[in-house]
Amino acid sequence: QVQLVESGGGVVQPGRSLRLSCAASGFTFSTYGMHWVRQAPGKGLEWVALISYDGSNEYYAESVKGRFTISRDNSKNTLYLQMNSLRGEDTAVYYCAKDDTIAVVPAAILDYWGQGTLVTVSS
Amino acid sequence: DIQMTQSPSSLSASVGDTVTITCRASQSISSFLNWYQQKPGKAPKLLIYAASSLQSGVPSRFSGSGSGTDVTLTINSLQVEDFATYYCQQSFRIPFTFGPGTKVDIQ
Repeated sequence: QVQLVESGGGVVQPGRSLRLSCAASGFTFSTYGMHWVRQAPGKGLEWVALISYDGSNEYYAESVKGRFTISRDNSKNTLYLQMNSLRGEDTAVYYCAKDDTIAVVPAAILDYWGQGTLVTVSS
Repeated sequence: DIQMTQSPSSLSASVGDTVTITCRASQSISSFLNWYQQKPGKAPKLLIYAASSLQSGVPSRFSGSGSGTDVTLTINSLQVEDFATYYCQQSFRIPFTFGPGTKVDIQ
């Protein structure tokens, strides 16, 4: 069965960096686009970033563009989110999610989600 | 960016009720609209994609309809396990924005 397991969250000071990982199993990771979505405490969902199946295309929310980088290692079935210059407003649970479509352009239908990892940005 | 709104923001209902949640987009998104259910402390779960297609394994009491700017999620014969927060999400254009959510709780 499909499994997505995030790791790497924690408490970090403003301005510092953190890298999240998402280990995937139960499906052919290298053929699906992957997303990061976040949820601030008590708030709604915010789409953060998307990477195509082969890593050739990346897309970002304006709120993280230039600070966050999504990447993947298909040989390790792992998705990453490098977060730099972190701010208080980046405090959230970060979910990785699988796109449901095998296509050059992902459909942005998120059919499987990980359990999330909490990132707290605080001094 | 495409802005998504949902109404109502919350509702109280009883087991067996029929519930309808509306999602409105700031511009036409055709049928590029998905619905997710989220329970406290859990990850969201895909219910409906492409406005009206039921995700595998989701009970048939959930249904979606509409296109353009207005889409609805209907839950027939509400069950205890359906009390949760529901989010719509447009997949028409990047950034893939979510609605603010509709919390369904027990009356």
